[in-house]
Amino acid sequence: DADVTQTPRNRITKTGKRIMLECSQTKGHDRMYWYRQDPGLGLRLIYYSFDVKDINKGEISDGYSVSRQAQAKFSLSLESAIPNQTALYFCATSDLPTQGTGANVLTFGAGSRLTVL
Amino acid sequence: GQNIDQPTEMTATEGAIVQINCTYQTSGFNGLFWYQQHAGEAPTFLSYNVLDGLEEKGRFSSFLSRSKGYSYLLLKELQMKDSASYLCAVRGDRRGSYIPTFGRGTSLIVHP
Repeated sequence: DADVTQTPRNRITKTGKRIMLECSQTKGHDRMYWYRQDPGLGLRLIYYSFDVKDINKGEISDGYSVSRQAQAKFSLSLESAIPNQTALYFCATSDLPTQGTGANVLTFGAGSRLTVL
Repeated sequence: GQNIDQPTEMTATEGAIVQINCTYQTSGFNGLFWYQQHAGEAPTFLSYNVLDGLEEKGRFSSFLSRSKGYSYLLLKELQMKDSASYLCAVRGDRRGSYIPTFGRGTSLIVHP
């Protein structure tokens, strides 16, 4: 099994529908992230969570919400999907950076491709 | 805020050497990462630099100059499987959270 599992892998939906993307991890990491990737724009951070009770907005959180159900589970919701939310969504996890300058490497899931018509 | 710039696309020949540059402007610099991403797949970690100098790892090397806000990823003995996007990510001091911000990526095409 993959360290970081995302479901669904592909989803086509219509404008106005509510969508949930789920992410689970077996890395034992406290930190989890949701990124969105669009052609030519790179990876942009939507939300991040340092533990179950610590959830923070990223640079593009408008139109999205998240839930950290457990240390291993972090879901992303689109309450009312719109076409410009069509993108590839990645969940990622990381450990704490060691001593402030150590690498906190991100481990990514395989991605969820969402199309909003 | 952070501003990260890298070329959109590069092409190279199998067996050659290619250098992918990344320049950045950030406050509270705390490390620079390179990730590789094949089409339709997840990014995977390649290298990490926090101090000036060159880090070598097999065919891949990464260089950092903090004073110049500059890094490069050097790929030697290119193989067809190296065709991928290469993402530069800078970790700043985002309220002490050390979350990396990604550049737009460089698409590398290796041809025979």
